[in-house]
Parts: sequence; structure tokens; C-alpha cells
Amino acid sequence: NAGVTQTPKFRVLKTGQSMTLLCAQDMNHEYMYWYRQDPGMGLRLIHYSVGEGTTAKGEVPDGYNVSRLKKQNFLLGLESAAPSQTSVYFCASSRSLAGGETQYFGPGTRLLVL
Amino acid sequence: GESVGLHLPTLSVQEGDNSIINCAYSNSASDYFIWYKQESGKGPQFIIDIRSNMDKRQGQRVTVLLNKTVKHLSLQIAATQPGDSAVYFCAENLSLNNAGNMLTFGGGTRLMVKP
Repeated sequence: NAGVTQTPKFRVLKTGQSMTLLCAQDMNHEYMYWYRQDPGMGLRLIHYSVGEGTTAKGEVPDGYNVSRLKKQNFLLGLESAAPSQTSVYFCASSRSLAGGETQYFGPGTRLLVL
Repeated sequence: GESVGLHLPTLSVQEGDNSIINCAYSNSASDYFIWYKQESGKGPQFIIDIRSNMDKRQGQRVTVLLNKTVKHLSLQIAATQPGDSAVYFCAENLSLNNAGNMLTFGGGTRLMVKP
């Protein structure tokens, strides 16, 4: 199993440009999550999904949209990138709802917005 | 507001010594706690977890202790090795009432192992 994969690994955008980050998992997990990590800080939840076709806002959702059209994929979109969105983005997935289910993380996507 | 935090931003230990990384939490509703290890350029990697109805859990070379009275969590690494050098995050889990679970991460502690 590849686990959780993310594409691209690195991207540079100009302010106002749009892009989509792709997350894929091959573990048949129901739950998927997008986090951002800023220097010297822990991860903050942007959006999450509890199943195919469903999404919900996390702690810092503004400026991002997500879609979960297929169970194995969770897309994070930036419609109009801003320098404040320069960060490392991590996707994660977990098997079920129950408290105590480990989240497995992808390798991250580094995004630089100029 | 409620948060998860860490006492020490950087911990330097000698190879072979034991390491202790501490974490304070303030959300009494959290039911599950996790320690993650993050190496440079990689995503967080699960190390060990503990449920709120336990006070100690042991893994391979790692032990997590939970003190609910003072809302304190610690990660103990025995016989620390150079490969243990990384940033360690504690995270607390909240179940979101049939809406998944949300992890709140602390700021991280960098562990540096001296040969």
C-alpha cells in the first residue's frame, strides 16, 4: 500500500492564481483531512470529510474549498491564492469515526505564494 | 480558549540517555491523545496513543503517561538514538458527534540527539 499520497510536492503561485492539491489514500478510509503547517507551529485543520460526497469546515477554512467526489480522493482548492496561504499542506486519513482512530499523514505539499 | 501546548521547544539529549517530552492540555472533553514524530520534510508519523481512561501505555522504547489531574501528557523515549531526532507533537482528539474526530496539535518539541 502507498498509504496517503499528495501531489504536487511543491508549487509556487502568484497572488490571485488558483490551484488544486490532490490527496489520495489506498486504505479504504472513510475520513480524510486537510491541515496546514506554518513554521514552528503545529498542524491546523482546514477542512475534513467524513465520507464520499461530504465535507465540513475545520479550524481555518477561509480561502479554501474541498471536494470528496471519490472515497479515495480529497481535493483542496485555492481559488485566489494569497501570500498568507504560503505553508506546508498535509493530508490525512483515518478508518472510522471512533475516538482513538489514528490519522495517517501524507508527505506534504509545500506551497509558496508570491 | 482551550489548547494543547508543550513546555519545552527544544530538547537536547546524549545518545543512549532517556528523553522525556512534555505536553499540557486544557480541554477536559478530549478522549484520546496521540504523539506524532515529524522528521524534516516529511509528514507526521504516529508513535503512540493513549485513551483518557488510561494513565500509562508502553510501546517499543516509548511510553506515554497521562495525568488527568493536572492535564499533563508526556512521552518517554528509552535509550535515545540519533534516528529519534525529530520534532514531536502531541495532539488531543475530540470526537465530533458523528462528524469524525478533530485533532488539535501542540506547537512541537524538537529533540536533538548528540552522539
